Amino acid sequence: QQQVKQSPQSLIVQKGGIPIINCAYENTAFDYFPWYQQFPGKGPALLIAIRPDVSEKKEGRFTISFNKSAKQFSLHIMDSQPGDSATYFCAASSLNTGNQFYFGTGTSLTVIP
Amino acid sequence: DAGITQSPRHKVTETGTPVTLRCHQTENHRYMYWYRQDPGHGLRLIHYSYGVKDTDKGEVSDGYSVSRSKTEDFLLTLESATSSQTSVYFCAIRGTRAYEQYFGPGTRLTVT
Repeated sequence: QQQVKQSPQSLIVQKGGIPIINCAYENTAFDYFPWYQQFPGKGPALLIAIRPDVSEKKEGRFTISFNKSAKQFSLHIMDSQPGDSATYFCAASSLNTGNQFYFGTGTSLTVIP
Repeated sequence: DAGITQSPRHKVTETGTPVTLRCHQTENHRYMYWYRQDPGHGLRLIHYSYGVKDTDKGEVSDGYSVSRSKTEDFLLTLESATSSQTSVYFCAIRGTRAYEQYFGPGTRLTVT
């Protein structure tokens, strides 16, 4: 059973567009929601993360929106660039689970020049 | 890269053979993790360690064992490899901020 559901599976946008990737979870014990970026042949790299006490967090061109009541969170990439083409994973975790991360299935993003 | 190395980086092995993957870290982190990555499944936790000789199972631990005899090394063993264990395996560490995990470069394992 997938603890974190991620959509879409793939996404193609033009340079400058704003791709949005969505994730949903059921376990209300989760209290940490990171996003990872992965390039082919590399390990996932931590991009940005949010705690449930805030509804939005921005770091550069990357923004997480968090809706605690709906148990959903999303990643927005502003002014997307071809270099943002990668696979993005959301995840959820709780200290009560030994810091075990539950990952979404990933979104392959292509930014067309 | 959080000082994480994995070896080997690529391995092809036959069904039924034992395989050991190694994760090495240089920054004395207490928590270490082994994940596997498969299309359509994302990353799934196999085992993790919270100290020397302290380990626990993740969501896909069947067929795998781990050992941690010193802080810097975390070993993942497939006692008798099967084709379903063909995957990319990632090691991760918990960083100085409790919730953050950082991943190694991965090991691509093919079981024929």
